[in-house]
Amino acid sequence: EDKVVQSPLSLVVHEGDTVTLNCSYEVTNFRSLLWYKQEKKAPTFLFMLTSSGIEKKSGRLSSILDKKELFSILNITATQTGDSAVYLCAVGAGSYQLTFGKGTKLSVIP
Amino acid sequence: GAGVSQSPSNKVTEKGKDVELRCDPISGHTALYWYRQSLGQGLEFLIYFQGNSAPDKSGLPSDRFSAERTGGSVSTLTIQRTQQEDSAVYLCASSLQGAQTQYFGPGTRLLVL
Repeated sequence: EDKVVQSPLSLVVHEGDTVTLNCSYEVTNFRSLLWYKQEKKAPTFLFMLTSSGIEKKSGRLSSILDKKELFSILNITATQTGDSAVYLCAVGAGSYQLTFGKGTKLSVIP
Repeated sequence: GAGVSQSPSNKVTEKGKDVELRCDPISGHTALYWYRQSLGQGLEFLIYFQGNSAPDKSGLPSDRFSAERTGGSVSTLTIQRTQQEDSAVYLCASSLQGAQTQYFGPGTRLLVL
């Protein structure tokens, strides 16, 4: 059975801190790893990673994949209160299935 | 363009009643997915539609759950004889055929009293 594990489950930081969120996986027929940000209800797409060692970057957010060790990290630098959300990691395997982790709840306090 | 839309945003119902949740995918997206997210849990896959192919219903938790997709666009998820454990946020997503990136709607929060 495909499995995605995120850590930590929750995290509280102060504005300006840098955070690293972790995602490890065990899947067959790996195709991609995706990160989503969920505020309130709708997850919004952040990154899709398919190749090891290539960093994806968008503003203060960046992510990298290690297909040998089967994990990915999501970094957020200079955190802001608007970064408070649940961050979901999902792994694509087979033709269309995404398996989601339980998420990391990030709280950024002023 | 418009994103995935879902209605209603919130639904409160009594145990035993039937509910219908609607999803309107992004125009041009042939793949449509339904997920359920219970409190503190990850997204649980329910059902997948791709074009005119038979849907993958492997994630539906019981025969009280069903879904249809008319005309390859709008989808309706129906829960019959609702139970309190059906309370959750129901999320719909769509994607281009063969694409891994799924785009989510705002969800329907269902509360069964």
